[in-house]
Amino acid sequence: EDKVVQSPLSLVVHEGDTVTLNCSYEVTNFRSLLWYKQEKKAPTFLFMLTSSGIEKKSGRLSSILDKKELFSILNITATQTGDSAVYLCAVEAGAQKLVFGQGTRLTINP
Amino acid sequence: GAVVSQHPSWVICKSGTSVKIECRSLDFQATTMFWYRQFPKQSLMLMATSNEGSKATYEQGVEKDKFLINHASLTLSTLTVTSAHPEDSSFYICSATQGAGAASGNTIYFGEGSWLTVV
Repeated sequence: EDKVVQSPLSLVVHEGDTVTLNCSYEVTNFRSLLWYKQEKKAPTFLFMLTSSGIEKKSGRLSSILDKKELFSILNITATQTGDSAVYLCAVEAGAQKLVFGQGTRLTINP
Repeated sequence: GAVVSQHPSWVICKSGTSVKIECRSLDFQATTMFWYRQFPKQSLMLMATSNEGSKATYEQGVEKDKFLINHASLTLSTLTVTSAHPEDSSFYICSATQGAGAASGNTIYFGEGSWLTVV
């Protein structure tokens, strides 16, 4: 059975801190790994990773994939209160079909 | 603006009634759409894959007679929750993409989601 596991499930830090969110997976037909940010409604896309070792970066957020060890991390530096959200990791297992992790609920305190 | 539209955003229904949720791709044709449900503070769980012109493929544990999916056209899929019960109260969300998936360079678009409350 395809499985995606995120850790930690919940994280509370102070504004300005750096956080690292983890995602490990076991799927039979890996195509890509995606990170999403979910606030109140639909998830918003952050990154899509297909190759090991190539860092994707967008402002204070960055992500990397290790296909040998089957995990990915999402880093957020200099966190701001607006970064508070649930961060979802999903693996595309088969065309378009996404298997989601449980999510990490990140709270940034001022 | 949204490229996948979901309607209604919020719906409250009485126990025992049926509720229909629509998912439309606005600027592209989607031969495949996906339906997820999300309980509070939990992740998205794939319910079924909706295929245009054919029967939906349901994930293990999802009752196909309870969650009816119809993909009548290349831009519309509907999810009908039949004989709804309070435990069906959840956030339902659809997704669609133009081509063969994210790994092929196609963005997976999500609808805005529908909150269903069964009283």
